[in-house]
Amino acid sequence: GENVEQHPSTLSVQEGDSAVIKCTYSDSASNYFPWYKQELGKGPQLIIDIRSNVGEKKDQRIAVTLNKTAKHFSLHITETQPEDSAVYFCAASSPFNDDMRFGAGTRLTVKP
Amino acid sequence: GAVVSQHPSRVICKSGTSVKIECRSLDFQATTMFWYRQFPKQSLMLMATSNEGSKATYEQGVEKDKFLINHASLTLSTLTVTSAHPEDSSFYICSARDPTSGRIYEQYFGPGTRLTVT
Repeated sequence: GENVEQHPSTLSVQEGDSAVIKCTYSDSASNYFPWYKQELGKGPQLIIDIRSNVGEKKDQRIAVTLNKTAKHFSLHITETQPEDSAVYFCAASSPFNDDMRFGAGTRLTVKP
Repeated sequence: GAVVSQHPSRVICKSGTSVKIECRSLDFQATTMFWYRQFPKQSLMLMATSNEGSKATYEQGVEKDKFLINHASLTLSTLTVTSAHPEDSSFYICSARDPTSGRIYEQYFGPGTRLTVT
């Protein structure tokens, strides 16, 4: 089955700096890669996703890149703000499996 | 956008009792719902996938007789933790998929239920 690895586990940046979180996946059939933001005591919230037919997607300060050959994808947050502080999870989904596999999570702290 | 609710948000129960958690899709019909478990500072672990009108599919290692899942309608799935023990204390999160949207892969997550077994 799919195995998703996520790095780093913790990330601390100064407000205004950029943050990058990386994930790798094992199942070459995976074709959907969402990123979720989870605040303490709440459920995950989708912030951006990418399908395997594109290499990059951007939404304001957030961007995701996908390298299908290397089987890795990354989340880029620019001009970070304290409210970006949360745990971020990457995930991968295959059309042959009805479920989604999550990375271990990255705790991002943005220092004001 | 698609909204998923869970009830209750927090529950405390005594060891040996059963607890039911509800997951509802509020503005769409969900043919598939998922139940996850999350321990503190850990990732989401899929427990089971439930399809409306059929038996849930449980992940390896998840006891189906302990975690009863019912997906009786297109907007409601329930998870019942039977004979709960302190080790069942966790954050339970459901998600739902909207097959009528163009985003067939996206899962919409509920806010989670914090279960504490004393």
